[in-house]
Amino acid sequence: DTEVTQTPKHLVMGMTNKKSLKCEQHMGHRAMYWYKQKAKKPPELMFVYSYEKLSINESVPSRFSPECPNSSLLNLHLHALQPEDSALYLCASSQERSGTAINYGYTFGSGTRLTVV
Amino acid sequence: LAKTTQPISMDSYEGQEVNITCSHNNIATNDYITWYQQFPSQGPRFIIQGYKTKVTNEVASLFIPADRKSSTLSLPRVSLSDTAVYYCLVVKTGANNLFFGTGTRLTVIP
Repeated sequence: DTEVTQTPKHLVMGMTNKKSLKCEQHMGHRAMYWYKQKAKKPPELMFVYSYEKLSINESVPSRFSPECPNSSLLNLHLHALQPEDSALYLCASSQERSGTAINYGYTFGSGTRLTVV
Repeated sequence: LAKTTQPISMDSYEGQEVNITCSHNNIATNDYITWYQQFPSQGPRFIIQGYKTKVTNEVASLFIPADRKSSTLSLPRVSLSDTAVYYCLVVKTGANNLFFGTGTRLTVIP
């Protein structure tokens, strides 16, 4: 299995709702990532998990709450979002790198298209 | 982190070779260069990476001069399905983060 699977593919939520995005991979990758991408813009890094521990939080508002229950799963819990949070949310995974380890490429999912109304 | 600069957009006819050049003047000794391709409503896809000289795979070639301050992604004989955004990234060895620049929107014309 060489894929990153994201569910749901589309999500519409109100500003008072609580929802979760799910990401799953079975490639044995120990680093997982959440990115946010607005239309016609590059992906922006939100969170990095390394060995199921949060290692990077790129100053993301607390209405976004990541969770890594195990080495194959990554969730993004959403609460009290704003319309400007509407975007494509991408999950990615990679081999964990440290020291002189070289990046052999990230694998991205197809994303969840989120619309906040 | 080294900043990258690449053309915002390029057009090419089908069957032609396309070269996209990326500038990364502040690249550090332990940085390497990687390129990703992204189609609309999909996640980026890894194309190729390199540290110096030339790297070739089944999809593309990557040319990196000796000073490493730039790199060129070469796509041979493009087809309509190569229409996408191409991102050049400079990544630090051992780092667990990818920061995307603006990318180059390639449009292949019939």
